[in-house]
Amino acid sequence: DAKTTQPTSMDCAEGRAANLPCNHSTISGNEYVYWYRQIHSQGPQYIIHGLKNNETNEMASLIITEDRKSSTLILPHATLRDTAVYYCIVRVAGAAGNKLTFGGGTRVLVKP
Amino acid sequence: ETGVTQSPTHLIKTRGQQVTLRCSSQSGHNTVSWYQQALGQGPQFIFQYYREEENGRGNFPPRFSGLQFPNYSSELNVNALELDDSALYLCASSFALGDEQFFGPGTRLTVL
Repeated sequence: DAKTTQPTSMDCAEGRAANLPCNHSTISGNEYVYWYRQIHSQGPQYIIHGLKNNETNEMASLIITEDRKSSTLILPHATLRDTAVYYCIVRVAGAAGNKLTFGGGTRVLVKP
Repeated sequence: ETGVTQSPTHLIKTRGQQVTLRCSSQSGHNTVSWYQQALGQGPQFIFQYYREEENGRGNFPPRFSGLQFPNYSSELNVNALELDDSALYLCASSFALGDEQFFGPGTRLTVL
């Protein structure tokens, strides 16, 4: 699986949009971008994933650049409960994608 | 619908002992993966089971072994415990191979 690079930490203000960048310049054509988050002392939680089109669900939006070498996870209205470590993962879809390779993630602190 | 559950929540063992951790998959899920998360790091893939057969393994020694039962619940066994085995052990289930994984709350193992 391709390697990802994320900032170590970032702060954002409650109620504002949080934009989390991820670099995955060696991504292959059959690899998806996945985002998970881990709130303190809990298991990781799936957020969203995409291949090349932008995706949106009830939790977040995922913007993938046209060359697919980077992406941004957007939390539209950050709340204090969004404080967590956010992991960007690149993974082959289908039966071959049998594992998630976690990096260090971005530690996001939402401040009042 | 019940999510992924793990037991026990916490466990303390001494070096050289053996431990068994348990995981109940989310209803309808036939694939389970195990991860080890050391303090301050991202989870590391140990292995995955699909329909009772091992389907991929990370860089962990043979003293880490597992089982998946006909009801798709799973066990992680670790023999000859070492101090470095102290970590949060996470179980994740998915509906099928390659699908997004849903994590349990983890078992925190302390080896003294």
